[in-house]
Amino acid sequence: AQSVTQLGSHVSVSEGALVLLRCNYSSSVPPYLFWYVQYPNQGLQLLLKYTSAATLVKGINGFEAEFKKSETSFHLTKPSAHMSDAAEYFCAVSRSGGGADGLTFGKGTHLIIQP
Amino acid sequence: GAVVSQHPSRVICKSGTSVKIECRSLDFQATTMFWYRQFPKQSLMLMATSNEGSKATYEQGVEKDKFLINHASLTLSTLTVTSAHPEDSSFYICSARVRDRVNYGYTFGSGTRLTVV
Repeated sequence: AQSVTQLGSHVSVSEGALVLLRCNYSSSVPPYLFWYVQYPNQGLQLLLKYTSAATLVKGINGFEAEFKKSETSFHLTKPSAHMSDAAEYFCAVSRSGGGADGLTFGKGTHLIIQP
Repeated sequence: GAVVSQHPSRVICKSGTSVKIECRSLDFQATTMFWYRQFPKQSLMLMATSNEGSKATYEQGVEKDKFLINHASLTLSTLTVTSAHPEDSSFYICSARVRDRVNYGYTFGSGTRLTVV
């Protein structure tokens, strides 16, 4: 079965600093990987996804992630944090090859931006 | 882009009553809808998968008689929590599978906060 581990339930960075949210996955098939952001009492908004094309994936709001098969990682980064980035971030992996059967989510990382 | 509208956003109901949550795909046909449950400060857990015109497939440990899913059309899927109890209080989110030219993706509803009193 596929699984996702997000290291750090809370990450705090200063405004303007680098954001790094860590995600490691386990998958028995070539994975599709996703990062979503969730604001309080809202649904999930897709930041970016990897679907076996380019290993460096650029998303919305200045976020990007790099797929590293050798490290089974898909860490999310942003060069300069903004106050509006404060939210919950979820890494997810497809439950089956081809990505058709839904997602398995990590436990989430709460990103705190210090002024 | 593909948009899923989920209603209601919040609902409070008395213990023992039933609550229906609707998810509508506004600008596309959702052949497959996923229903997730999220407890406070926790991740999303898949409850069930519904395909238009067929019975839903439930994940292990999810009571299919308590969480009734109907996907009678390509634009509407519903989740009914029957005989709700306080432990059913949670955040429920639907997600439609969408396909671009070569890959699958998922678009999520805005969620429903259910409180059972």
